[in-house]
Amino acid sequence: NAGVTQTPKFQVLKTGQSMTLQCAQDMNHEYMSWYRQDPGMGLRLIHYSVGAGITDQGEVPNGYNVSRSTTEDFPLRLLSAAPSQTSVYFCASSRRRGEKEKLFFGSGTQLSVL
Amino acid sequence: AQSVTQPDIHITVSEGASLELRCNYSYGATPYLFWYVQSPGQGLQLLLKYFSGDTLVQGIKGFEAEFKRSQSSFNLRKPSVHWSDAAEYFCRTTGNQFYFGTGTSLTVIP
Repeated sequence: NAGVTQTPKFQVLKTGQSMTLQCAQDMNHEYMSWYRQDPGMGLRLIHYSVGAGITDQGEVPNGYNVSRSTTEDFPLRLLSAAPSQTSVYFCASSRRRGEKEKLFFGSGTQLSVL
Repeated sequence: AQSVTQPDIHITVSEGASLELRCNYSYGATPYLFWYVQSPGQGLQLLLKYFSGDTLVQGIKGFEAEFKRSQSSFNLRKPSVHWSDAAEYFCRTTGNQFYFGTGTSLTVIP
């Protein structure tokens, strides 16, 4: 059982480039989300989705786009990368959006923007 | 709004010593509280959770946590730390979203 799969594990971009971070889960989870992790800041929510076709902004959405065309996939797009987006990105999913739900995490993508 | 605070950014303990990581929450009602561990280069793994009932909860890897309403705390403890416990630890509570603390980095020295 793969769980939550993120690709790539590492990426280096130049300022202004665009790219997509991939996230897929095979647990039929309704809820999927993207976090960025920065030193001293913990995990901050970027965007989330409560089901196919439904997305919403989190705490730090600027500079990122998402879509949810299928239950399994939740890609995160950087339209024009900036050095401030250098971070470690985590995708997480849960059965549904709810206070008691356990979050399952991917292994992360380390992104550097030069 | 719900939130959690982890006052300690970094903690160093000797292998075999006891450990306590602090987590304070801000919420009017009884919160749902979680502790996660993140090993280097990995995602977060759930250690334990508290919803209601017994205020002392047991988790995986020998960890436990105690909910203290009077202190608004949910501290994580382990009686004897192993070198493999070196990691980042995150406290989490929930509301409309999942709120994580800023994390505590644990170093274990031989």
